[in-house]
Amino acid sequence: QSALTQPASVSGSPGQSITISCTGTSGDVGGYNYVSWYQQHPGKAPKLMIFDVSNRPSAISSRFSGSKSGNTASLTISGLQAEDEADYYCSSYAGSSTLVVFGGGTKLTVL
Amino acid sequence: EVRLVESGGGLVQPGGSLRLSCAASGFTFRSHAMIWVRQAPGKGLECVSIISGSGGGTDYADSVKGRLTISRDNSKSTLYLQMNSLRAEDTAVYYCAKAEGFSVVTSVDYWGQGTLVTVSS
Repeated sequence: QSALTQPASVSGSPGQSITISCTGTSGDVGGYNYVSWYQQHPGKAPKLMIFDVSNRPSAISSRFSGSKSGNTASLTISGLQAEDEADYYCSSYAGSSTLVVFGGGTKLTVL
Repeated sequence: EVRLVESGGGLVQPGGSLRLSCAASGFTFRSHAMIWVRQAPGKGLECVSIISGSGGGTDYADSVKGRLTISRDNSKSTLYLQMNSLRAEDTAVYYCAKAEGFSVVTSVDYWGQGTLVTVSS
């Protein structure tokens, strides 16, 4: 299983919107609507932010949204806040294996 | 409230063994696949193993195949990871995590706090 490709870092100012991409193949991201996004603050466990491409768990702010086009999924955070500064990981179901494949992670800096 | 509490991490010499445990509560344990995900210092997430809700299906990352064994005791709502022939590159925080589904991981909806495994002489 190859890791999904994410940019190493993105940044934005408070109130702005940012988008993080996650590129895979037709065997994972492009083949299934099972992309998830996780937020991880330093020293903490990851937290599910988006599942099934664009669905939010009930406790997650509507400022977080997900989408997919072809083999690339995207996480958009609108109205950036200081507490959004964290690492973000995408993951996808890959039918050839039951193991989940993760992206390499993107560090979001709120300027 | 879903809770996943790992234990069993620590310092071990190369070639040694450890057994991690993860006590689960707040959900029907036997109805969900469970996974172990590790994160080496300063690195990203790697799913190392999965076990189906019944325990009848397991899978491993190539990097750990033959050395790590995942198991579960549904009567105790506990997940295990037996780690043998440990190498320096196995040094990581190991997270126990709950899959949304019974046999495959379409999303991981809850994570434990993690337990640190350090392999060093």
